[in-house]
Amino acid sequence: ILNVEQSPQSLHVQEGDSTNFTCSFPSSNFYALHWYRWETAKSPEALFVMTLNGDEKKKGRISATLNTKEGYSYLYIKGSQPEDSATYLCAPSNSGYALNFGKGTSLLVTP
Amino acid sequence: DVKVTQSSRYLVKRTGEKVFLECVQDMDHENMFWYRQDPGLGLRLIYFSYDVKMKEKGDIPEGYSVSREKKERFSLILESASTNQTSMYLCASSSPSDLYSNQPQHFGDGTRLSIL
Repeated sequence: ILNVEQSPQSLHVQEGDSTNFTCSFPSSNFYALHWYRWETAKSPEALFVMTLNGDEKKKGRISATLNTKEGYSYLYIKGSQPEDSATYLCAPSNSGYALNFGKGTSLLVTP
Repeated sequence: DVKVTQSSRYLVKRTGEKVFLECVQDMDHENMFWYRQDPGLGLRLIYFSYDVKMKEKGDIPEGYSVSREKKERFSLILESASTNQTSMYLCASSSPSDLYSNQPQHFGDGTRLSIL
C-alpha cells in the first residue's frame, strides 16, 4: 500500500477563481499517476493518466503536472465554475496492477 | 461509452447474511475491481481480477470473496455480513493493457450497503 497524501483536504472558492491541489506519493517504483473527479451521486470519472516525469496534461480548464523524481503531482483548475464542484482523487500505481487512491480534495465552487 | 453497472444502488442486509454484490461491464474489459469507500478514507481495493476465474487480493480482502465466471461479470461476496462492512462499494473495469500500461479505470455508480 502506497502512502498517498492529498492537500488540501477541502477547498471553497468563488466562481472565476483559479485553484490547485497537490498529490504526494513515494517516488520509488513509480509506474503511473491517475487523477479522477468524483461528483456527488455519480461515479468517479477519469481526468488524466500520467507516466513521464515532467508530463503535463490538459482538459479544458483543468491541467495537471507530474514530478516523479520528487513524488508529486499538481492539478490546476483555471476560472473555477460551480460544475467543477467535486472530490478530486489522485491514484499512483507502482505495480501496474492496482491503484492506490488518496483521500481526495473536496472542492466547492460557489457563484 | 463504457458502461459499468452495479446491480443495486442501495441495499440493506442483516448481520450474518451472505450478501452478493454484482457488477457487469459491457466493454469486454479483462480487468475488474472492487473497492469500498468510507468517510475519511480513500477508495480501498478489496479484490481484483485480470481474467475469467482469476482473482487477486487487494488491500482489505478479509471477510470478502469474489467470483468471475464470465468476463463481463464480477461478483463481490460477503460471506457473513458484519456491521463494519457497512460502506459504499464501487466496481470498476479497465482494458487489457491496464495492467502494465496506462488506461483509466471506469467505475459503476456504487452500491450503498447497510448491514443492520
